[in-house]
Amino acid sequence: DIQMTQSPSSLSASVGDRVTITCRASQGINNYLAWFQQKPGKAPKSLIYAASSLQSGVPSKFSGSGSGTDFTLTISSLQPEDFATYYCQQYNSYPYTFGQGTKLEIK
Amino acid sequence: EVQLVESGGGLVQPGGSLRLSCAASGFTFTRYWMSWVRQAPGKGLEWVANIKEDGSEKYYVDSVKGRFTISRDNAKNSLFLQISSLRDEDTAVYYCATAKTCRDWGQGTLVTVSS
Repeated sequence: DIQMTQSPSSLSASVGDRVTITCRASQGINNYLAWFQQKPGKAPKSLIYAASSLQSGVPSKFSGSGSGTDFTLTISSLQPEDFATYYCQQYNSYPYTFGQGTKLEIK
Repeated sequence: EVQLVESGGGLVQPGGSLRLSCAASGFTFTRYWMSWVRQAPGKGLEWVANIKEDGSEKYYVDSVKGRFTISRDNAKNSLFLQISSLRDEDTAVYYCATAKTCRDWGQGTLVTVSS
């Protein structure tokens, strides 16, 4: 199975900051990488697919990059509604696997 | 607007079974792979299974192979997950999602395995 490792596991930031979350795959996954946001008690929300393609309706403050094994999610100008847990997921090969999550908290 | 509504969760004893359902609307169901993802209490997301548009291909995470069966009824825009031989570690919220990329998600249905 492909292991997905996110870093950091938690992150404190302030409103207005720009943050970057990293996701590393244990083997190459081409660009078959998605990012999700989840708030407490809610279903996840898809932000990005194919490593860098923004889902419809997702603000451009979210951006993704990378290919192969190393990927990043960048969130610019943090707003209170952006504080949540973020997950990456590979869908290159079965079984699909998620990273362990990165909890983004307000400093 | 895409809507996915899961149902069928509940409290079940170890070794028991349940059939989870996901009613889909607002998109052309027959054009999409469909997925199940679960989340144990306080834990991260775990991909469980997915099924091709016509049901001809199905894939599972190893921990549920032989115990869970994914299926779909395209005439009724519905996705199912038959879960059997349940274990404590199957306790989770089960979400259905559209496509391999899990573009849209339902609100989830809670399965609790406990004696």
